[in-house]
Amino acid sequence: EAGVAQSPRYKIIEKRQSVAFWCNPISGHATLYWYQQILGQGPKLLIQFQNNGVVDDSQLPKDRFSAERLKGVDSTLKIQPAKLEDSAVYLCASSFLGLAGLSYNEQFFGPGTRLTVL
Amino acid sequence: GENVEQHPSTLSVQEGDSAVIKCTYSDSASNYFPWYKQELGKRPQLIIDIRSNVGEKKDQRIAVTLNKTAKHFSLHITETQPEDSAVYFCAASTGGFKTIFGAGTRLFVKA
Repeated sequence: EAGVAQSPRYKIIEKRQSVAFWCNPISGHATLYWYQQILGQGPKLLIQFQNNGVVDDSQLPKDRFSAERLKGVDSTLKIQPAKLEDSAVYLCASSFLGLAGLSYNEQFFGPGTRLTVL
Repeated sequence: GENVEQHPSTLSVQEGDSAVIKCTYSDSASNYFPWYKQELGKRPQLIIDIRSNVGEKKDQRIAVTLNKTAKHFSLHITETQPEDSAVYFCAASTGGFKTIFGAGTRLFVKA
């Protein structure tokens, strides 16, 4: 099966500019995650969607970050305006929605978008 | 807030030896504990996971143990090989929600 797709793979912007990332999850996966992975750290969950609804965005810096998954499939993550500390790899992952609406299952990660903010 | 602590941050072993990585979680509601392997420049991939109703799980050379009372879980790799060299992340979640990753352990297996 095709994996999680992300684009672009690399992006370099200047601070205060805006940027958007795109993710296409594995077909049939209802749960989609966006993570921020700063160099040398573990992935940090930014937002989790179940179909087209947000189930957790407690760690999303909402003053500058936004995400949507309008049709319950593809998702976009936007940063506006970007700061130097936003330099990181942005990982998208998806998982199958199991029984009773619980997503215990394996998260499949995309290749990530490496963002550099100058 | 809730967190997951992972130790050690770096681990170097000789080929054929065992490696153990330990994680402690703070959210007592956590009930799913996956381990991911991330090779340099690549995406994280699940290598093993355990749910809170199980104390131990094994898959060939890797095993995971869970102590719910102490809120810690460990990854054990036996007969290590050079291709096991990577960064390993533990994670904890509650029913698939609020996934929190540890900071990672960089494992070096020396041939």
